[in-house]
Amino acid sequence: GQSLEQPSEVTAVEGAIVQINCTYQTSGFYGLSWYQQHDGGAPTFLSYNALDGLEETGRFSSFLSRSDSYGYLLLQELQMKDSASYFCAVRDQTGANNLFFGTGTRLTVIP
Amino acid sequence: DVKVTQSSRYLVKRTGEKVFLECVQDMDHENMFWYRQDPGLGLRLIYFSYDVKMKEKGDIPEGYSVSREKKERFSLILESASTNQTSMYLCASSTRQGPIPDTQYFGPGTRLTVL
Repeated sequence: GQSLEQPSEVTAVEGAIVQINCTYQTSGFYGLSWYQQHDGGAPTFLSYNALDGLEETGRFSSFLSRSDSYGYLLLQELQMKDSASYFCAVRDQTGANNLFFGTGTRLTVIP
Repeated sequence: DVKVTQSSRYLVKRTGEKVFLECVQDMDHENMFWYRQDPGLGLRLIYFSYDVKMKEKGDIPEGYSVSREKKERFSLILESASTNQTSMYLCASSTRQGPIPDTQYFGPGTRLTVL
């Protein structure tokens, strides 16, 4: 089976940097993804790491360490519109097309 | 852009009714998924499908069934709705092809209330 752990809530100040951690346990690993979901909206894909290291996409970066079964999403120059829930997800070995999602981290950006 | 649409944004049904939730995607994706989302529980997979007429149980299939008669359409059926099926239902699609395989594209969701 799989399990993913991420903090339930994080609060950060506008303009600051915030890191959302994700640790996982899975019998097989194909990659770690991050999705963003605004209140009332659909989850949307943000980032994907299949190999160790940092992937950067504008203000957002994602990091993976396969040896530590750990990843994080880094949001820089926080804006109010970044207030949302962020989910990490692993590709499932049992059905390699599937994703197993964490329970999400609610990020609140304050002025 | 990939577009996934769901038949209703909000739905109110009574206990015991049969409920159909429809999902359509326009990108010729082979994989389609149904999730329910509840506060504090994240996204839980109900059923998924790799191809037309194929279906596989996810983590919480009890009380649900699905139908995939056409590649672009995936239906979720609640045979006899119960109050504990009040939830947000999200449909998604994905493909093994492309630069990031299995990236899922979600519909806007259907908020179902069962009274």
